Amino acid sequence: DAKTTQPNSMESNEEEPVHLPCNHSTISGTDYIHWYRQLPSQGPEYVIHGLTSNVNNRMASLAIAEDRKSSTLILHRATLRDAAVYYCILRENSGGSNYKLTFGKGTLLTVNP
Amino acid sequence: EAGVAQSPRYKIIEKRQSVAFWCNPISGHATLYWYQQILGQGPKLLIQFQNNGVVDDSQLPKDRFSAERLKGVDSTLKIQPAKLEDSAVYLCASSLILAGVRNEQFFGPGTRLTVL
Repeated sequence: DAKTTQPNSMESNEEEPVHLPCNHSTISGTDYIHWYRQLPSQGPEYVIHGLTSNVNNRMASLAIAEDRKSSTLILHRATLRDAAVYYCILRENSGGSNYKLTFGKGTLLTVNP
Repeated sequence: EAGVAQSPRYKIIEKRQSVAFWCNPISGHATLYWYQQILGQGPKLLIQFQNNGVVDDSQLPKDRFSAERLKGVDSTLKIQPAKLEDSAVYLCASSLILAGVRNEQFFGPGTRLTVL
């Protein structure tokens, strides 16, 4: 079962920053925090991941709390194309070097023009 | 680089009929996943393969669902017989299995199944 808690929905204005929160109070020391997003009528796509330190890539930034019980996905300037469902997931080991993702319901982000 | 391919994109069947979905993962990806996504919910993992072996099928309803990946490349997911509650989007994903890297999963566009 999903081990993260996210708001059902959030709204943002175009070209403004967006902070998407995620709580994962039962995270273990080896769990990586992954974020995926799903655009309408498409499969999910990878956004970013991290373990302990904050991470940046061309799509977003990931801020991880010091106790790792929460994290925040930051979109620096939202565009209409960023409207999607955003999933915060703890990557679990499914045996050996195999991993699995357990998706929750995610946060539906609406971006207003 | 070609992405994950799935077919068909849409399928409508009547309950108690059979249906099969096909997936071709990204070349070189040893791990393949099938997910079921019911409207309004996140994807739910049905089965995970590494090459042609099953890693995890704990959430696959084995009385009606089956999946195979015979040559460690393409995979098929079958439902026989279908029920109304099987109406969903079936997503296929693939990934590398190198330990220590991010194990990003690449998803296909999905097959939307409607059971009448």
